[in-house]
Amino acid sequence: DAKTTQPNSMESNEEEPVHLPCNHSTISGTDYIHWYRQLPSQGPEYVIHGLTSNVNNRMASLAIAEDRKSSTLILHRATLRDAAVYYCILHQGGSNYKLTFGKGTLLTVNP
Amino acid sequence: GAGVSQSPRYKVAKRGQDVALRCDPISGHVSLFWYQQALGQGPEFLTYFQNEAQLDKSGLPSDRFFAERPEGSVSTLKIQRTQQEDSAVYLCASSSLGRARGGDTQYFGPGTRLTVL
Repeated sequence: DAKTTQPNSMESNEEEPVHLPCNHSTISGTDYIHWYRQLPSQGPEYVIHGLTSNVNNRMASLAIAEDRKSSTLILHRATLRDAAVYYCILHQGGSNYKLTFGKGTLLTVNP
Repeated sequence: GAGVSQSPRYKVAKRGQDVALRCDPISGHVSLFWYQQALGQGPEFLTYFQNEAQLDKSGLPSDRFFAERPEGSVSTLKIQRTQQEDSAVYLCASSSLGRARGGDTQYFGPGTRLTVL
């Protein structure tokens, strides 16, 4: 799987937007960009995924650069419950089912 | 509905003991994964089942690690002769194998924290 690069940590204030960046300069044309997050003492949970177009769901938005070499996960209004490690993962789907996690970004949300 | 459950949540073993970790996936989910997560690291893939067939075990670190899913539902990860380096959180995930475009969402359990003394 192609590699992703994320900042080790980021900090935000409650009720403010958060932009979590991810670089994936070696992404292939068939790679989807997935985001998972892991709250303390829990297993990872799916957040969002996309291929080329920006995506929105109830949890977050995903903005994908035109050249697809980077993407940004956007939390529109951070809450204390959003404090977690966020993982950006490239996934081909199809026969390549396993997820390859990096170290992710530890997001701290200040009250 | 019920999510993925794992038991026990915590396990302490003396070096050399055998341990068995259980995973109950979401009902009807065809795919089941095991991951190992060391402290401060992201999860790492161990093995993958499609129904009862173990299709990928490339991540198992040694022949002391063995996984099974005999009836295509519950799975057990067994570690024989545990070593201190086996201390980690063991995560189980399942997915529906809908061959969704871009990959199926994996649903994770809370994990089993194994400590080997």
